[in-house]
Amino acid sequence: EVQLVQSGAEVKKPGESLKISCKGSGYSFTSYWIGWVRQMPGKGLEWMGIIYPGDSDTRYSPSFQGQVTISADKSISTAYLQWSSLKASDTAMYYCARQIAAAGGDFFDYWGQGTLVTVSS
Amino acid sequence: QSVLTQPPSVSAAPGQKVTISCSGSSSNIENNYVSWYQQLPGTAPKLLIYDNNKRPSGIPDRFSGSKSGTSATLGITGLQTGDEADYYCGTWDSSLSALVFGGGTKLTVL
Repeated sequence: EVQLVQSGAEVKKPGESLKISCKGSGYSFTSYWIGWVRQMPGKGLEWMGIIYPGDSDTRYSPSFQGQVTISADKSISTAYLQWSSLKASDTAMYYCARQIAAAGGDFFDYWGQGTLVTVSS
Repeated sequence: QSVLTQPPSVSAAPGQKVTISCSGSSSNIENNYVSWYQQLPGTAPKLLIYDNNKRPSGIPDRFSGSKSGTSATLGITGLQTGDEADYYCGTWDSSLSALVFGGGTKLTVL
């Protein structure tokens, strides 16, 4: 059974750093892209970027380029999303999901349970 | 402002049918496949439709998808109270080089 299990909720102050995780199991972790999706309170879904754990090829949405870093450790089947300096506007639920990337046919077939990040002074 | 446009809300009675539209452009919907997701309250999104009209294993045939030109549609028949959720369309945008979503549609089953 394919599973993506994310790390727990975080409460941080503005300016602090943070790294959240997403552990995959039940499939070949190195053979599928993993994506990150932001959902701000009461809002819709926003694609942040993806990583291919097999070779760490990483792509970012123009909206999130330079704002976050996506990485992966294939030895432990885990992908990461990190911030170097959090802002209050980073408060959101963050989902990881397995992205099926085919020419013109990208979609997410399995999702993690989400990690709630709250940034407040 | 989302790249793909969905109605904010739709409603229908139990047992009835509803459709949710998703409007885009030549850089996204017209030339790429569309997927649809269901997000029940307080839960992660779930894939309902991919490649415009295909259902993953386990998704009932009450859910269907179609695409024509720069628009796509999700159809749900035999509505149940358990279908009350937010529904999102998504597709690749070739100009943005990004996966884009609609703003979401809240379905109320009256």
